[in-house]
Amino acid sequence: AQSVSQHNHHVILSEAASLELGCNYSYGGTVNLFWYVQYPGQHLQLLLKYFSGDPLVKGIKGFEAEFIKSKFSFNLRKPSVQWSDTAEYFCAAMIKAAGNKLTFGGGTRVLVKP
Amino acid sequence: GAGVSQTPSNKVTEKGKYVELRCDPISGHTALYWYRQSLGQGPEFLIYFQGTGAADDSGLPNDRFFAVRPEGSVSTLKIQRTERGDSAVYLCASSLMQLGVGTVRTEAFFGQGTRLTVV
Repeated sequence: AQSVSQHNHHVILSEAASLELGCNYSYGGTVNLFWYVQYPGQHLQLLLKYFSGDPLVKGIKGFEAEFIKSKFSFNLRKPSVQWSDTAEYFCAAMIKAAGNKLTFGGGTRVLVKP
Repeated sequence: GAGVSQTPSNKVTEKGKYVELRCDPISGHTALYWYRQSLGQGPEFLIYFQGTGAADDSGLPNDRFFAVRPEGSVSTLKIQRTERGDSAVYLCASSLMQLGVGTVRTEAFFGQGTRLTVV
């Protein structure tokens, strides 16, 4: 079965530090990949998505993610975080062969200290 | 409306009772999804509608769970004989068309969820 793993459950860092959140998926076929963010008290919002083409994807708010097919990974990065990046981050995958539904990882809670 | 709307935002019910959770998708969105998010976990797929029909209900945990979308817009998730293990945040999402089909790179927009607590 398709699965998505996020290895870091909690991350604490200071403003201006760099952030990298890991995401691995289990399926080897054609896959669409997403990162969602949930700010405190708000709904899930799409940060960025990968369908095909350039494996380095740029999203909103300075986030980017790199698709590495050989490693089944889609890690999220931001060079310099702000206090407002405090949120929970979810990686998700969609596999056409498994139907058009998103499979989410368990999420990573990020706390940025001012 | 401007976004996906879910009502109620919170629901507390007694074990064994019946509950209905409502989702108003973004106007014009043909695809609608229900997810369940338990504490400390990511959202888990329950069911997906394309128009009025349930295209994939493989995520519904058992026959106590049922969802409808009679006119292809508003959807209701129904849970019979609620159990304490049903306590979770139930999320609804909609998209302009079915995700992943064709070349249209659409995305799913999520509501804020209904927090269900079964006591």
